[in-house]
Amino acid sequence: AQSVTQLDSHVSVSEGTPVLLRCNYSSSYSPSLFWYVQHPNKGLQLLLKYTSAATLVKGINGFEAEFKKSETSFHLTKPSAHMSDAAEYFCVVRLSGGSYIPTFGRGTSLIVHP
Amino acid sequence: SQTIHQWPATLVQPVGSPLSLECTVEGTSNPNLYWYRQAAGRGLQLLFYSVGIGQISSEVPQNLSASRPQDRQFILSSKKLLLSDSGFYLCAWKSQGNTGELFFGEGSRLTVL
Repeated sequence: AQSVTQLDSHVSVSEGTPVLLRCNYSSSYSPSLFWYVQHPNKGLQLLLKYTSAATLVKGINGFEAEFKKSETSFHLTKPSAHMSDAAEYFCVVRLSGGSYIPTFGRGTSLIVHP
Repeated sequence: SQTIHQWPATLVQPVGSPLSLECTVEGTSNPNLYWYRQAAGRGLQLLFYSVGIGQISSEVPQNLSASRPQDRQFILSSKKLLLSDSGFYLCAWKSQGNTGELFFGEGSRLTVL
């Protein structure tokens, strides 16, 4: 079985300050992990993915995430928030070599204040 | 390159009317296809997925149905819409196999009045 928990439904930051969006997963096997971003009334866009290579994954728009097996976490970070980062972010887990059905977290809304 | 198209982008329908949302993928063959629904302020709910023509798996019992008449076409339908069917519907595809990420369409906003 697999599951994913996004620990915060909303995160509010000021422009230029760091961003941390938290994600914990549960998986019986080696997982593939993804972060997606969704701007209002748009589809989801892939930010980055982890598939058992380097544990620190760099994505688009300056985002990165670190896979920590001991903590079963895959937190998303960015050193400095931009106004354009305001969006909904989804953490996703899928079993490698297993199901082709990914499990989505409930999402974290990132609010960026000027 | 691969692209995914989804239409209509917005739809306002009365209760009890039928529904048809279409999704097509270009630039790939034999993709896995998915329909998700996103209700206001909530996460994504998987409705249907398909691993091939005519092969549909339903994740949630409801008054919606899906069909895959062609390799790269995925249709979401309803004979009679309910108020609770309102939401943002997203089509997605993934290459065959057990790796890779989903690629999403731009979504269809359905409002049932």
